Amino acid sequence: AQSVTQLGSHVSVSEGALVLLRCNYSSSVPPYLFWYVQYPNQGLQLLLKYTTGATLVKGINGFEAEFKKSETSFHLTKPSAHMSDAAEYFCAVSEGMDSSYKLIFGSGTRLLVRP
Amino acid sequence: AAGVIQSPRHLIKEKRETATLKCYPISRHDTVYWYQQGPGQDPQFLISFYEKMQSDKGSIPDRFSAQQFSDYHSELNMSSLELGDSALYFCASAPLTDSPDTEAFFGQGTRLTVV
Repeated sequence: AQSVTQLGSHVSVSEGALVLLRCNYSSSVPPYLFWYVQYPNQGLQLLLKYTTGATLVKGINGFEAEFKKSETSFHLTKPSAHMSDAAEYFCAVSEGMDSSYKLIFGSGTRLLVRP
Repeated sequence: AAGVIQSPRHLIKEKRETATLKCYPISRHDTVYWYQQGPGQDPQFLISFYEKMQSDKGSIPDRFSAQQFSDYHSELNMSSLELGDSALYFCASAPLTDSPDTEAFFGQGTRLTVV
């Protein structure tokens, strides 16, 4: 069975500071990994995903994540936080191609950006 | 291009009533996924359809049923509503393809409130 653990339900950073949102996964098969962002009362927007190939994945809005198989991690980073980054972030895993969007989500991390 | 359309955006029902949620996928997307997101919770996979056939099933109560129609839109039918069914219900659509670059797009969700 697959699972996702997001460490920290809330993360607070100052504007301009580094953003680091942690995600660890468990999967018995090579996983597909995703980060989604959700603004209040909005749907889920894909930030980035890892399927195969390069382990450092760049996404939208300056975010990137690195797949580390040895650590079963897929942490999300952004060098400099912007006020508009304040939102809920979900890490998700799927079993891969045949069920590529049957996703198991983590519990989410709310990012707060202080002026 | 139009995204995934869900209707209605908001729905208020009383206990034991029924509700029907609709999802209109992006053009040429033949796969639809339904998710339920309770208050402060992560999205949970309910059910998916490919080419009008159920392709996978998650934690969907027996009181719920869903189908996909010939125009690929999908409906989630919920009967004997309970207070705990109050949630944001997301639909996502994707093309079925062997490419790992495919992406599912989420609708903005239907917020169901059971009173």
